Amino acid sequence: KAGVTQTPRYLIKTRGQQVTLSCSPISGHRSVSWYQQTPGQGLQFLFEYFSETQRNKGNFPGRFSGRQFSNSRSEMNVSTLELGDSALYLCASSLWSSGRVGETQYFGPGTRLLVL
Amino acid sequence: KNQVEQSPQSLIILEGKNCTLQCNYTVSPFSNLRWYKQDTGRGPVSLTIMTFSENTKSNGRYTATLDADTKQSSLHITASQLSDSASYICVVSGDTGFQKLVFGTGTRLLVSP
Repeated sequence: KAGVTQTPRYLIKTRGQQVTLSCSPISGHRSVSWYQQTPGQGLQFLFEYFSETQRNKGNFPGRFSGRQFSNSRSEMNVSTLELGDSALYLCASSLWSSGRVGETQYFGPGTRLLVL
Repeated sequence: KNQVEQSPQSLIILEGKNCTLQCNYTVSPFSNLRWYKQDTGRGPVSLTIMTFSENTKSNGRYTATLDADTKQSSLHITASQLSDSASYICVVSGDTGFQKLVFGTGTRLLVSP
């Protein structure tokens, strides 16, 4: 079974631009979560989508948004990019939503975004 | 404030040696604790998950321990291999919901030949 895939793997943008990242979950998985990983902060939760609905949201500004399609694929959009948005963006899929205790997430390889 | 602290930040050991990574947390309430391995350029992969009632869990050469009273966990790697070179991340879940996960910043391990 194929794992979680993310595209693109690397991206360079300039301040003020917007970017869209894509995530394809493991076949059959209905929950997709997004995380931002930076060296100093570690992983920080952005949001979770389950059955095309946003279930949970982290403490990020409204410039960060996402959506999920009927095939469970998800996209994350960041508008008006700032230098501090440079990070590794990880997508994780799970069979069920995070409401189930101990639900296991499977992470993709991430998209490394550099904002100049 | 819910926090997870890991030590050391980085570690270099010789191939074949054992090592132990530490994780202290202040997350409350406590649901479960998970250790992840993250290779360079890859996403994290779950190694073990432990609930309140479990104090030891093994996965091959990886053995995790949990002391819920002192809020401490350790990950012991036996007979290290070059492929163990990675970052190891401790994650504590305070409740259901991925937004409740509290991540440590990880320990970067380098296994040297």
